[in-house]
Amino acid sequence: EIVLTQSPGTLSLSPGERATLSCRASQSVSSSYLAWYQQKPGQAPRLLIYGASSRATGIPDRFSGSASGTDFTLIISRLEPEDFAVYYCQQYGTSPFTFGPGTKVDIK
Amino acid sequence: EVHLLESGGGLVQPGGSLRLSCAASGFTFSSYALAWVRQAPGKGLEWVSVISGTGYTTYYADSVKGRFTVSRDNSKNTLYLQMSSLRAEDTAIYYCAKIIWGSFRYNDYWGQGTLVTVSS
Repeated sequence: EIVLTQSPGTLSLSPGERATLSCRASQSVSSSYLAWYQQKPGQAPRLLIYGASSRATGIPDRFSGSASGTDFTLIISRLEPEDFAVYYCQQYGTSPFTFGPGTKVDIK
Repeated sequence: EVHLLESGGGLVQPGGSLRLSCAASGFTFSSYALAWVRQAPGKGLEWVSVISGTGYTTYYADSVKGRFTVSRDNSKNTLYLQMSSLRAEDTAIYYCAKIIWGSFRYNDYWGQGTLVTVSS
């Protein structure tokens, strides 16, 4: 099973600051099969990034993703009030198609 | 517009059974793989199962293998999750999701979820 480890668990930042979220895979995962989702309280998850670095339709360009080996990064360049949420990575390379435990971005 | 609507959740006793449904619209249903993902109260997302567009290929998390069965009726545009031998730890919101399965793989649309509570 591919274990995805997300860090930090919680990121406390102010609006306008830059957020850097990490997702590390325990084994090799094709970047084509790594996605990021955003979830706000009481809502279903929403796709942000697919293929490690491609923004989903309608996602603002302040969200960006990158990959380096088994390390994947989601960057929010300037936090807007609506960006405070929990972010999950997921791999679809090998079953079980695991999620990371999530990073909560909250307001400092 | 893609729409996914889960139903069938509720309160069930440990050891009991429940069948969830996910009614889909806005896309060619049989052309897409679908997933079930759950979220226990206050916890993170847990992948549960995937079924291919034809229904011939399925995948399960170890935590539900042998107890849950995923299926689909392409004539009714509906996805199902038959859950049996339910345990307290199966208590969660269950989401269905449409999967893009090709050069890239990801869940592009999600339903709003249905709550399953396993308790005596």
